[in-house]
Amino acid sequence: GAVVSQHPSWVICKSGTSVKIECRSLDFQATTMFWYRQFPKQSLMLMATSNEGSKATYEQGVEKDKFLINHASLTLSTLTVTSAHPEDSSFYICSAGGVNYGYTFGSGTRLTVV
Amino acid sequence: GESVGLHLPTLSVQEGDNSIINCAYSNSASDYFIWYKQESGKGPQFIIDIRSNMDKRQGQRVTVLLNKTVKHLSLQIAATQPGDSAVYFCAVSSPGTYKYIFGTGTRLKVLA
Repeated sequence: GAVVSQHPSWVICKSGTSVKIECRSLDFQATTMFWYRQFPKQSLMLMATSNEGSKATYEQGVEKDKFLINHASLTLSTLTVTSAHPEDSSFYICSAGGVNYGYTFGSGTRLTVV
Repeated sequence: GESVGLHLPTLSVQEGDNSIINCAYSNSASDYFIWYKQESGKGPQFIIDIRSNMDKRQGQRVTVLLNKTVKHLSLQIAATQPGDSAVYFCAVSSPGTYKYIFGTGTRLKVLA
């Protein structure tokens, strides 16, 4: 089955620094990947749609300059949280797949900004 | 706009009993529905899906029912086990896009 790998699984960074999260589709090619954010005890909120070879599409209210998304290949999308602040601490999850057969999620990245 | 909600934020079930988790959606044009299970600290895991041309679909110990008339779907888990304890999300397709709208989630607690 489809496997999506996300790395790192957790990261702690200092306020003001940047953090990069990787999302890889291991056994299939994903022209589209999605990045979600999940606060404790809440649902998944779509942040942006990552399109291979083109600019990401951000949801309303998501700062594109703060959450940089790069989808350089059919198997890799990265999310960089720039100038991180404590309020950016959250669980970030990527997914990949197709609209007709559901999406496979990565295992998530727990970001803590101190 | 589209909204997806769950009726019960927390559901406690005795081990061995059946569990029913509900989800309501608002867009009648939605045509694909998925249930996900999320354990603490992990990403969502696909459980079962159903398309709008079906009313019922069964998997191993799980059944999804879709009522398009009232825009409601449910996940039934038979003989609930401790390993079923998790948060369950419904996800509904957003017509014309590749996006899914997630429900607020229901925490299932299995009591021994």
